Amino acid sequence: GDSVTQMEGPVTLSEEAFLTINCTYTATGYPSLFWYVQYPGEGLQLLLKATKADDKGSNKGFEATYRKETTSFHLEKGSVQVSDSAVYFCALSEISGGYNKLIFGAGTRLAVHP
Amino acid sequence: NAGVMQNPRHLVRRRGQEARLRCSPMKGHSHVYWYRQLPEEGLKFMVYLQKENIIDESGMPKERFSAEFPKEGPSILRIQQVVRGDSAAYFCASSPRGQGATQQPQHFGDGTRLSIL
Repeated sequence: GDSVTQMEGPVTLSEEAFLTINCTYTATGYPSLFWYVQYPGEGLQLLLKATKADDKGSNKGFEATYRKETTSFHLEKGSVQVSDSAVYFCALSEISGGYNKLIFGAGTRLAVHP
Repeated sequence: NAGVMQNPRHLVRRRGQEARLRCSPMKGHSHVYWYRQLPEEGLKFMVYLQKENIIDESGMPKERFSAEFPKEGPSILRIQQVVRGDSAAYFCASSPRGQGATQQPQHFGDGTRLSIL
């Protein structure tokens, strides 16, 4: 079945450092890809998405490009802030019967220090 | 414009008791999904419902777990005779009706943290 693999955390960075969180996927079709962020004690918030190959999703300085040739959707940010500390989940939508069932990676915890 | 509302936020039960988790989708959303998050893990799909119908329950344990989404009122995830291994965060998500659901992102609630003593 479809699956998502993320780099293991925690990732610890200093403020203003460059961030990359790797995500690769396996899927039989052409799923949409998502990054969700989870702050402590809260639910998941959609950070960005891409629905087809070569699409770039972006939001709040974060970017990810849907790479079909490498089956990847790596998350990047040029300059992280302490407030970016959270757990980041990569997900794909497994399309079945006209609805999308999200398949999540295990999550990557990011800690940003001043 | 309220988001997905889940209650309670925290629920403590003793082994053998029943747990009932509630989810009210966003206004205008009639697709509801339940996910379970075990400690230090990602979310795992449990069940997908539309009003009065269970569409996909392939992620639900075969015993003790059930879900419903009645015509009126919230969606309910029920766990009977809870065991320690049921301790987890349970998240509900919703998406719009009939708008190419495959392209619509799911909006998540803040979850119910279930602890079994």
